Amino acid sequence: DGGITQSPKYLFRKEGQNVTLSCEQNLNHDAMYWYRQDPGQGLRLIYYSQIVNDFQKGDIAEGYSVSREKKESFPLTVTSAQKNPTAFYLCASMELGGRTNTGELFFGEGSRLTVL
Amino acid sequence: RKEVEQDPGPFNVPEGATVAFNCTYSNSASQSFFWYRQDCRKEPKLLMSVYSSGNEDGRFTAQLNRASQYISLLIRDSKLSDSATYLCVVNRAGNNRKLIWGLGTSLAVNP
Repeated sequence: DGGITQSPKYLFRKEGQNVTLSCEQNLNHDAMYWYRQDPGQGLRLIYYSQIVNDFQKGDIAEGYSVSREKKESFPLTVTSAQKNPTAFYLCASMELGGRTNTGELFFGEGSRLTVL
Repeated sequence: RKEVEQDPGPFNVPEGATVAFNCTYSNSASQSFFWYRQDCRKEPKLLMSVYSSGNEDGRFTAQLNRASQYISLLIRDSKLSDSATYLCVVNRAGNNRKLIWGLGTSLAVNP
């Protein structure tokens, strides 16, 4: 089965600690994205990557970092600099090329981070 | 004013009812439009893309009105399983990475 796998599903962290959320896809999609969802707010883009070894900041990148060393993987690190890290984090991917580009985002099941 | 606006609801309807949601967008350069469905504490999933000519998928009909800058979603013969939050998504400037998400409209279908 093709899809996107995020881990862990639930994570608790103490203030001041960095934490890395994993995102792996086997859909052979070019683009990958990290979103954050808070109650009463829409999805907000943290970082995205359209090609290996390249990524761009989204609208709320401060306090986060990413890497894209492999096409399949796009881990997100929530650093201690992120002031309000408690949130639901969603990873997504999209096929960018030609006729297969429907504009559809495929999401993982999400990672729920709670900072204690 | 938000770039994509939706009535948050909740919409409470009985089974079998027809319900319609609207979503307005402010950027006239927006080029593609989508409705996603999100169940409670789950990830969003694409319900349907919205085409200029309007499109239908079973009980669901999506319409686009570029002049008035809104899209709509009509659900006929509502089922209990339709209960979810419906997210309006707009892609501005034709670049798929610039997807702008509405806050969602909550629908509860009651027996």
